[in-house]
Amino acid sequence: KQEVTQIPAALSVPEGENLVLNCSFTDSAIYNLQWFRQDPGKGLTSLLLIQSSQREQTSGRLNASLDKSSGRSTLYIAASQPGDSATYLCAVFYMSGANNLFFGTGTRLTVIP
Amino acid sequence: GAGVSQSPRYKVAKRGQDVALRCDPISGHVSLFWYQQALGQGPEFLTYFQNEAQLDKSGLPSDRFFAERPEGSVSTLKIQRTQQEDSAVYLCASSSRQGIAYEQYFGPGTRLTVT
Repeated sequence: KQEVTQIPAALSVPEGENLVLNCSFTDSAIYNLQWFRQDPGKGLTSLLLIQSSQREQTSGRLNASLDKSSGRSTLYIAASQPGDSATYLCAVFYMSGANNLFFGTGTRLTVIP
Repeated sequence: GAGVSQSPRYKVAKRGQDVALRCDPISGHVSLFWYQQALGQGPEFLTYFQNEAQLDKSGLPSDRFFAERPEGSVSTLKIQRTQQEDSAVYLCASSSRQGIAYEQYFGPGTRLTVT
């Protein structure tokens, strides 16, 4: 069964701290992996998309890595800010023939001023 | 440019009522997806369109759920005889390319509450 798991479910850190969010997936045959941010009551904002052939992507203070062989991705957030508080979702597009992203349940991040 | 828009943003329905949820994708986007997000969960796939063709409806939970995209742009998700378990946020996403494995852009969602 194709699943995506995110650990931890919730995380609180003081402002300025660097942090890592984890995502694991069950099948290494993927097209891509996408990290999203979701604010309460809002839709999903795409943060980073990593294609299967790539190892990492960077955007500002965000860096996402992909290790297909181990079925893992990490989202690194540098110098966290209170505005980073949100739920972060990892989603995988498997090559299995399914026509959709498979999502994890997310990590709820709180950055304390 | 304009992103994906959805309407209404909030909908309260009495059990047994029919509802229609609208999605306006980014102009020119070929692919359109519907997802259902229960409270505290990640979104789950419902259905996928490429232009006006519904290529995958394997995620629709029952025959009470129906989706259409007659002209290959705006899409409507209809739920007949709503049940309490249908309460969720319904998200629409679009993608610019044909095929499936390209970056998806999401709308703000419609929060459906069935009482």
